[in-house]
Amino acid sequence: DQQVKQNSPSLSVQEGRISILNCDYTNSMFDYFLWYKKYPAEGPTFLISISSIKDKNEDGRFTVFLNKSAKHLSLHIVPSQPGDSAVYFCAARATGNQFYFGTGTSLTVIP
Amino acid sequence: DVKVTQSSRYLVKRTGEKVFLECVQDMDHENMFWYRQDPGLGLRLIYFSYDVKMKEKGDIPEGYSVSREKKERFSLILESASTNQTSMYLCASSLLKGTTEAFFGQGTRLTVV
Repeated sequence: DQQVKQNSPSLSVQEGRISILNCDYTNSMFDYFLWYKKYPAEGPTFLISISSIKDKNEDGRFTVFLNKSAKHLSLHIVPSQPGDSAVYFCAARATGNQFYFGTGTSLTVIP
Repeated sequence: DVKVTQSSRYLVKRTGEKVFLECVQDMDHENMFWYRQDPGLGLRLIYFSYDVKMKEKGDIPEGYSVSREKKERFSLILESASTNQTSMYLCASSLLKGTTEAFFGQGTRLTVV
């Protein structure tokens, strides 16, 4: 059963607006959450992460929010740029163990 | 700069062939992983290893085996390639402990004909 879920396969946003990507998880043992960005024919690259002891982490245009009670995290990109168009994967980990990935959300930023 | 290097970007193999995918990392990471990525299915874990000669099955190990003889190298073996193993294969590595990310290689696009 999928422990990390991304229910939106795709998202389109106008350049300059906010992109919000969502992710849900089921395992309460997860203590570290990550977002990866992937272009076609390339490996995923790490974008931003958050520990379970925090509820928000910000890095430039990217902010990740964690709601542990709802087992939900989201990635906000503000302002969105055409170069942000990619597939975004949410991932979760219990310390020392494997990473579990969602199915990905394809973001298209329209100029 | 940290690096995970996969031996091939593109491979075309015939059904029934034995296929080796090689991965090397230069970060002295304990963990190494093999995933495959398919449309709509995300990244699915095939095998991972947390130490030399150690391996653990992931979610979809059937038809695959792995080898880790040295800490920096993790090989994925398709014993008898089949067309349903056509996919993008991704190798990754990470530290065993601590809140750190996994680093990915550039991927190998394998086509089995």
